[in-house]
Amino acid sequence: DAKTTQPPSMDCAEGRAANLPCNHSTISGNEYVYWYRQIHSQGPQYIIHGLKNNETNEMASLIITEDRKSSTLILPHATLRDTAVYYCIVRVASGGSYIPTFGRGTSLIVHP
Amino acid sequence: ETGVTQTPRHLVMGMTNKKSLKCEQHLGHNAMYWYKQSAKKPLELMFVYSLEERVENNSVPSRFSPECPNSSHLFLHLHTLQPEDSALYLCASSQGPAAGVNEQFFGPGTRLTVL
Repeated sequence: DAKTTQPPSMDCAEGRAANLPCNHSTISGNEYVYWYRQIHSQGPQYIIHGLKNNETNEMASLIITEDRKSSTLILPHATLRDTAVYYCIVRVASGGSYIPTFGRGTSLIVHP
Repeated sequence: ETGVTQTPRHLVMGMTNKKSLKCEQHLGHNAMYWYKQSAKKPLELMFVYSLEERVENNSVPSRFSPECPNSSHLFLHLHTLQPEDSALYLCASSQGPAAGVNEQFFGPGTRLTVL
């Protein structure tokens, strides 16, 4: 699996956009970029994923660079409830199942 | 409601006890996972089952014993645990390999304390 690098922490003002970067310079052509978040003491929650095109859903937007070596998760209007640890992972098949490896993620704090 | 439930939500046990954690998914998935999350550490994958067969075991100590009787249920049997096994144990499910790349759905976790 390709390794990802994320800043350990970030903060953002409520109502502003939160832009969370992720570096995955060793990503290979068949690996997708996934984002999850984990609110304190809860299970991780899927946010969004993409291969090479930018993606948007009701939660966030995912911008992947043309060379696919980095991506940015955008929360367009952050709220206090978006305070969580955000994980960027890349996924490949292993033994017929997809085995994601979670790193330490980015701890995002949204303040009033 | 994530569609993945775990019981119990909290468990306190002594080192000589035997207990089991239960996970159930109502999403029609056929792959299930156990993760361990210790304080200040990343999630650690413990076991993966696909179509009820174990496909991954990341060198977990034998005091943890998984069981997957069908595609909707996953158990983690615990015996003679150590205090350092205290952690949040998370279950997840996903569509199986035939469905291609897919996201995982996590349960709320069981907070385990070993005294």
